[in-house]
Amino acid sequence: QSVLTQPPSVSGTPGQRVTISCSGSSSNIGSNTVNWYQQLPGTAPKVLIYNVYQRPSGVPDRFFGSKSGTSASLAISGLQSEDEADYYCTAWDDSLNGPVFGGGTKLTVL
Amino acid sequence: EVQLVESGGGLVKPGGSLRLSCTTSEITFFNAWMNWVRQAPGKGLEWVGRIRSESDGGTTDYAAPLKGRVMISRDGSKKTVYLHLNSLKTEDTGVYYCATGGYRLGSHHVLDIWGQGTMLTVSS
Repeated sequence: QSVLTQPPSVSGTPGQRVTISCSGSSSNIGSNTVNWYQQLPGTAPKVLIYNVYQRPSGVPDRFFGSKSGTSASLAISGLQSEDEADYYCTAWDDSLNGPVFGGGTKLTVL
Repeated sequence: EVQLVESGGGLVKPGGSLRLSCTTSEITFFNAWMNWVRQAPGKGLEWVGRIRSESDGGTTDYAAPLKGRVMISRDGSKKTVYLHLNSLKTEDTGVYYCATGGYRLGSHHVLDIWGQGTMLTVSS
């Protein structure tokens, strides 16, 4: 059971917009920033979004992060086949004194 | 391109111990906070622990479920971080990744450079 809650799967067709939710609590998302990681099949995770909405160099602006209260979201617009991957949200947890992850969401591009 | 390379995985019997290594030749290792994250087969990511940079004292934090069984250390002369795990259980099976914390992106909470991972299988 993960501390942060994500939907196990989402899907969309090329060009569509999808959103992945991440629900936490006051000790993690509610009081700290959120990061999102993308894990392509068979590869190591890579940071996709950090500090809620910031994108590392090279990440297209089709990826958008947001946060409200104790929840966060990752929106992907203009869906492409190469976006098919697992996505994880994470935030520092003040009670656990460590980062906590969501269980991951598998994005399927139909 | 900056690379982290993990090694030391393999097959270990329950109750055994293991040391994993994470080596880099390119980053300014002295200033890098280093994390270990693991992933059980078909499961999500789990933070194992981290060690602060040598310039920040080299102290450690560990995930609560693993405290007492895990230790992270670093050797600056070898630019290597180690993960020591003892009293191994079958549920320790998985891929173990090392990752820098904020080396490129500023915040130590952002795992911004990852290795390719090393597989640990705990089985009799």
